[in-house]
Amino acid sequence: EAGVTQFPSHSVIEKGQTVTLRCDPISGHDNLYWYRRVMGKEIKFLLHFVKESKQDESGMPNNRFLAERTGGTYSTLKVQPAELEDSGVYFCASSQYRVRSPLHFGNGTRLTVT
Amino acid sequence: AQSVTQPDIHITVSEGASLELRCNYSYGATPYLFWYVQSPGQGLQLLLKYFSGDTLVQGIKGFEAEFKRSQSSFNLRKPSVHWSDAAEYFCAVGAVRGGGADGLTFGKGTHLIIQP
Repeated sequence: EAGVTQFPSHSVIEKGQTVTLRCDPISGHDNLYWYRRVMGKEIKFLLHFVKESKQDESGMPNNRFLAERTGGTYSTLKVQPAELEDSGVYFCASSQYRVRSPLHFGNGTRLTVT
Repeated sequence: AQSVTQPDIHITVSEGASLELRCNYSYGATPYLFWYVQSPGQGLQLLLKYFSGDTLVQGIKGFEAEFKRSQSSFNLRKPSVHWSDAAEYFCAVGAVRGGGADGLTFGKGTHLIIQP
């Protein structure tokens, strides 16, 4: 079984530019989550999809962040325009069920905004 | 709102020695508790989880953790560490909102360093 795949693994952009991160969950997993870790801080929840619907987006920092999951398969997280404080590692995770299902994490995308 | 405290940012242990990583949580109801490990360049891998029942849970790679409700703790232990255990370890709590592990709250992580 293929794991959660994230692309790109690294991205370096200038302040004000746009970046789109992609996550391919494990096939058949309806639940998809985005998390972020800013250097030196804890891993923080961003949002949760169930299929194509946003179940909980309470962790999204502001309206410069837009997440989509068209068709309930892969998801994208767009940052536009990027700011310096957006730098960090963005993790995607998926699970089959919500109840008592462990999360399977991708390797993360390291975003650096200069 | 739930919170997780991992009081040790770094821990250094000699290879073959025992290990205990501390985790305290704050949550108003019965928590779902997890330990994840992240090796360099890798994603987070689930070591073990507690949902209910036996408070001593066994995980992968020889790890175990004990849930102590009275102390709001879920410490991770291993009787004898190996050099390959060097990594960052995260404790996490999930809200029981009829949905299990939605919106996990993580601690800041503990870096485990193994001395030869």
